[in-house]
Amino acid sequence: DAGVIQSPRHEVTEMGQEVTLRCKPISGHDYLFWYRQTMMRGLELLIYFNNNVPIDDSGMPEDRFSAKMPNASFSTLKIQPSEPRDSAVYFCASSRVGRWNTEAFFGQGTRLTVV
Amino acid sequence: AQTVTQSQPEMSVQEAETVTLSCTYDTSESDYYLFWYKQPPSRQMILVIRQEAYKQQNATENRFSVNFQKAAKSFSLKISDSQLGDAAMYFCAYRRVYGNKLVFGAGTILRVKS
Repeated sequence: DAGVIQSPRHEVTEMGQEVTLRCKPISGHDYLFWYRQTMMRGLELLIYFNNNVPIDDSGMPEDRFSAKMPNASFSTLKIQPSEPRDSAVYFCASSRVGRWNTEAFFGQGTRLTVV
Repeated sequence: AQTVTQSQPEMSVQEAETVTLSCTYDTSESDYYLFWYKQPPSRQMILVIRQEAYKQQNATENRFSVNFQKAAKSFSLKISDSQLGDAAMYFCAYRRVYGNKLVFGAGTILRVKS
């Protein structure tokens, strides 16, 4: 398996523009997570899905952020409109349901810079 | 709510020496998982080692081992025979058994000197 695939690796955008980050989880994984990493706040869970259904979006900072998972192999995180304080590394991760062999595997992240 | 604390923002170790990274956590649950993840400059989050709370035996993966003290809620990572490739940010993380959400500590930057 190719692992969790995120695109793009880097994104530079102007304030006010819409940004869409993409993620392809590992095939067969039931959970998908979106994390944000910043120097100030470390790694924060934004939202996670179970079988394509959003379970907990309490970490989504505000209404400018939205996430979807239209099928088991694809998810998007959208920021509209983007602001400089959204600059961060965004990680997608996936894992299996259950007790055993359920470690989370991470993508390589998208470094977002909003100028 | 569960919390994870890494009190060492930065550590240094000489190549071939041993270093221990500290982690404490807070939870009211009796069964859970603890993890150490490594994040090198490439940014990739790599799972280093995992510990199940119900196991008394400390987990070991090659040069990496943990000291799991359940009563003290402590979970330290020991890296033996440190190598230049071990230089990275290390994150301690907690997860409920069936929850799947990871709670991360703030991380410890490990520098390896040649």
